[in-house]
Amino acid sequence: EAQVTQNPRYLITVTGKKLTVTCSQNMNHEYMSWYRQDPGLGLRQIYYSMNVEVTDKGDVPEGYKVSRKEKRNFPLILESPSPNQTSLYFCASSLFRGGNEKLFFGSGTQLSVL
Amino acid sequence: DQQVKQNSPSLSVQEGRISILNCDYTNSMFDYFLWYKKYPAEGPTFLISISSIKDKNEDGRFTVFLNKSAKHLSLHIVPSQPGDSAVYFCAASAWGSQGNLIFGKGTKLSVKP
Repeated sequence: EAQVTQNPRYLITVTGKKLTVTCSQNMNHEYMSWYRQDPGLGLRQIYYSMNVEVTDKGDVPEGYKVSRKEKRNFPLILESPSPNQTSLYFCASSLFRGGNEKLFFGSGTQLSVL
Repeated sequence: DQQVKQNSPSLSVQEGRISILNCDYTNSMFDYFLWYKKYPAEGPTFLISISSIKDKNEDGRFTVFLNKSAKHLSLHIVPSQPGDSAVYFCAASAWGSQGNLIFGKGTKLSVKP
């Protein structure tokens, strides 16, 4: 089944404790992206990747890192999480660039930073 | 500044009637528009899209209308069904934007039986 898989679904952590949210897609998509969803703010892009070893900042990249060493994986790294990073995170992928290609989203990761 | 605006946070419609969800945009460089649907505890799923060279696109019960002069698009659902109850996000992109899809804040649709 074609899908984007994120792990974990739920995560509670404390300020400053490094964490990684994994994302994997099995559709051989070139483009991958991370979004966060906050009440009243909709979906905002954090980082995106056009292909392996090619990543760039989205609208809200501060406090996040990403890597794209393999085509299928695009982990989101929070080196020193803070409470304002409490949010619902979505990974997404598309065949090529995400502009006029429909995005496939993962089921989301609800992160709480205490 | 918000480039894609969905000014109605919520909409309630009776089953069988038409649902109209609206979206306004400010960036005249946007040339592709998409609607995504999101159920609780799931990721958004693609619903329908429209290119700026068209003014209408239809897919079953879903039709998207684009008015470029007004920088406005709308999603019509006819007839509305209880299973359509979800949050609907409008999104837009500009060619050459390196894949940055700009989303609105979403409209929560409730279809009552």
